[in-house]
Amino acid sequence: SQQGEEDPQALSIQEGENATMNCSYKTSINNLQWYRQNSGRGFVHLILIRSNEREKHSGRLRVTLDTSKKSSSLLITASRAADTASYFCATDGRNYGQNFVFGPGTRLSVLP
Amino acid sequence: DAGVTQSPTHLIKTRGQHVTLRCSPISGHKSVSWYQQVLGQGPQFIFQYYEKEERGRGNFPDRFSARQFPNYSSELNVNALLLGDSALYLCASSTGSGEAFFGQGTRLTVV
Repeated sequence: SQQGEEDPQALSIQEGENATMNCSYKTSINNLQWYRQNSGRGFVHLILIRSNEREKHSGRLRVTLDTSKKSSSLLITASRAADTASYFCATDGRNYGQNFVFGPGTRLSVLP
Repeated sequence: DAGVTQSPTHLIKTRGQHVTLRCSPISGHKSVSWYQQVLGQGPQFIFQYYEKEERGRGNFPDRFSARQFPNYSSELNVNALLLGDSALYLCASSTGSGEAFFGQGTRLTVV
């Protein structure tokens, strides 16, 4: 069974608005990473947050991590049409293995 | 600096055939992981190799195998292809922990 679960499954917003996606997981982690997938192909690494971090920023991206609730959120501010993609969170296990568990993703549509 | 490269980009095979997919990691990365992504779902972990040794294996049948070469490139082999093996196969490269970077994938269609 998949550990990471993104919520919502689909999100549609207007350009300029903010988009928030959530991810829940089940077991202890070392890191949580967010990825973007365009057009069902390219997987782009967005940001990594370690289990001892609570918040991280990268450009228009803000990621939070709450290990007590086993959840993370990705906020994209001032969205653009180019942000239209599927977003996935991936968690790795305590053994530092790279056997990431992905959720089904959130499909974000940013309308011009 | 080149990213993760996968070949081929597209492949069509017949049921029962075998297929070999290839991945070259980012220079300096010693870990390669393979994932299968079926349409509409997130990637599913297949294998991880680090320093030419298998470090992890997902819940896939023995028809799936992989190996890593001394230059850290990797091959994923699938025997006796089934229609259900049709998917996007992704390779991820990393130093062994932390950030993992994915290639563009190989789209395999089994007919």
